[in-house]
Amino acid sequence: GQQLNQSPQSMFIQEGEDVSMNCTSSSIFNTWLWYKQDPGEGPVLLIALYKAGELTSNGRLTAQFGITRKDSFLNISASIPSDVGIYFCAGGLWGAQKLVFGQGTRLTINP
Amino acid sequence: SAVISQKPSRDICQRGTSLTIQCQVDSQVTMMFWYRQQPGQSLTLIATANQGSEATYESGFVIDKFPISRPNLTFSTLTVSNMSPEDSSIYLCSVEKDRAPDTQYFGPGTRLTVL
Repeated sequence: GQQLNQSPQSMFIQEGEDVSMNCTSSSIFNTWLWYKQDPGEGPVLLIALYKAGELTSNGRLTAQFGITRKDSFLNISASIPSDVGIYFCAGGLWGAQKLVFGQGTRLTINP
Repeated sequence: SAVISQKPSRDICQRGTSLTIQCQVDSQVTMMFWYRQQPGQSLTLIATANQGSEATYESGFVIDKFPISRPNLTFSTLTVSNMSPEDSSIYLCSVEKDRAPDTQYFGPGTRLTVL
């Protein structure tokens, strides 16, 4: 089945640093989504992307839908302690009515 | 977005028993899904809960082990049957809003531990 390769698997950064993570696939997707999951909680949708080349921001978060439709990245600027958590990318195909998830990026911030 | 609640939030169960997890949404939605998240892992789709018909299961998941009900457009249940320690996971329901295809919103999850 389809798989998403998400990298890096984990990041250890200093507060205030910028963060970048990405997902790649061998096949195309029509939708790219980025979620954040805090311990003991369900994933929360951060950004949804629907068009190839689309660049969307949500506060300090910016995500882009790759022009080839096979990749997406998420950037976090000026990280703060509450950014700690696990970030998941997910790809969707119109009509397939299900998402494929990446393996997750665990973000740890040193104060 | 959507407001989704799950019951119970967590449970500790004995091997061989069954647990039914409830998912309630604050508005009618066409698509509801059930996922499993094993410790330290990503999300794996168990099935799509179809209103008025049998659920659609993904490869590796069967109805006898994970029976699902969807009596209306705001509610679904997932039962984990004849549990073993390997079933210890977080179980999540999600919904797709009709006007945002492929955009799913998740409930808070049910953390299940099987002894």
